[in-house]
Amino acid sequence: NAGVTQTPKFQVLKTGQSMTLQCAQDMNHEYMSWYRQDPGMGLRLIHYSVGAGITDQGEVPNGYNVSRSTTEDFPLRLLSAAPSQTSVYFCASRDQTGLNTEAFFGQGTRLTVV
Amino acid sequence: AQSVAQPEDQVNVAEGNPLTVKCTYSVSGNPYLFWYVQYPNRGLQFLLKYITGDNLVKGSYGFEAEFNKSQTSFHLKKPSALVSDSALYFCAVRDLGDYKLSFGAGTTVTVRA
Repeated sequence: NAGVTQTPKFQVLKTGQSMTLQCAQDMNHEYMSWYRQDPGMGLRLIHYSVGAGITDQGEVPNGYNVSRSTTEDFPLRLLSAAPSQTSVYFCASRDQTGLNTEAFFGQGTRLTVV
Repeated sequence: AQSVAQPEDQVNVAEGNPLTVKCTYSVSGNPYLFWYVQYPNRGLQFLLKYITGDNLVKGSYGFEAEFNKSQTSFHLKKPSALVSDSALYFCAVRDLGDYKLSFGAGTTVTVRA
């Protein structure tokens, strides 16, 4: 029962480098999302998807891209890393039907951009 | 637009005393309300939710929360706190007609022995 799996757990990037944060869920959830967590700011929504082939922007989408080719996977791409993107990133998924509306979170990716 | 406010950055209580973590929300429609807990270097764990029905909701680890529509509040409570309850707590809201989940800034709870 894996739930939501994020890789890597830790990453250090140089300014200008690109990378992809991976997220996979095995619960057949239609809705998936990416958040960043910064001290004193809670979790802020970066991008979300309501199903394969459908993505949309959240509060803080600049500098990030996403795609959803399958129900299971929702990778987050940093196009050209900046120090302001130093943060902890969380992927989440939830069921869209019925009252099972709570989100399930991955363990997070701690990203440092130097 | 929807939003959540957690007015206290930190809450400190002695073990065995009651614990309350405050949350107020704003939505245009009917709210779905959630509490999550985060232990150091871990992801968020779901504690409880209010969708509809009874205003007093019971969740994991002895926590409960009361939905108050007139005060737009959803405070988290535990009658007798444990040292192991020390963690970061997040309140979150989703409008019934929206996909997005909005979080408060979080409240750090410290329970001293």
